[in-house]
Amino acid sequence: EAGVAQSPRYKIIEKRQSVAFWCNPISGHATLYWYQQILGQGPKLLIQFQNNGVVDDSQLPKDRFSAERLKGVDSTLKIQPAKLEDSAVYLCASSSGLYQETQYFGPGTRLLVL
Amino acid sequence: QKEVEQDPGPLSVPEGAIVSLNCTYSNSAFQYFMWYRQYSRKGPELLMYTYSSGNKEDGRFTAQVDKSSKYISLFIRDSQPSDSATYLCAMKVIQGAQKLVFGQGTRLTINP
Repeated sequence: EAGVAQSPRYKIIEKRQSVAFWCNPISGHATLYWYQQILGQGPKLLIQFQNNGVVDDSQLPKDRFSAERLKGVDSTLKIQPAKLEDSAVYLCASSSGLYQETQYFGPGTRLLVL
Repeated sequence: QKEVEQDPGPLSVPEGAIVSLNCTYSNSAFQYFMWYRQYSRKGPELLMYTYSSGNKEDGRFTAQVDKSSKYISLFIRDSQPSDSATYLCAMKVIQGAQKLVFGQGTRLTINP
């Protein structure tokens, strides 16, 4: 079974630029999550989708971050404009359903904002 | 005060040692507790999951939960160099794919 795929793996941008990350969850997984993991910290949930609907986006900085999951499969997370404090690893995870405990994480996209 | 506190380490022990990793939490509503392992440049992977006080064993790993003290532990017996990773505790309020709250992770190195 293929795991969660993310791209790009690394990205370096200047502050105030925009950036987008892509995630392809495990086939058939209805629930998709985006986490932000700042160096030395645990992951923090940004947004959770169930199919193509948003379940929880309470910690998403909506003035600069946006995410979508069209057709309930792939998802993109966008930052516009980026700030220095957005430097982090952005992790995508998926689970087979809302009531499944195991979340499977992708390798993450490492973002550096200069 | 953070909802979940975890000693970031780093923790370095010799191969074969027993390792104890700990987290405390402040939200008494947390009912489900997990331990994730994260290798360098990889995403976290679920190691163990429990929802009751007491111990749960899986091979060399034992997860312990004390809800009265709001304290959870992960013990690793006969530690191996391949156990070298960052260990993250995580917890949530209700069953299902709800928001996980993670500790900051403990970086563990097992020396051959």
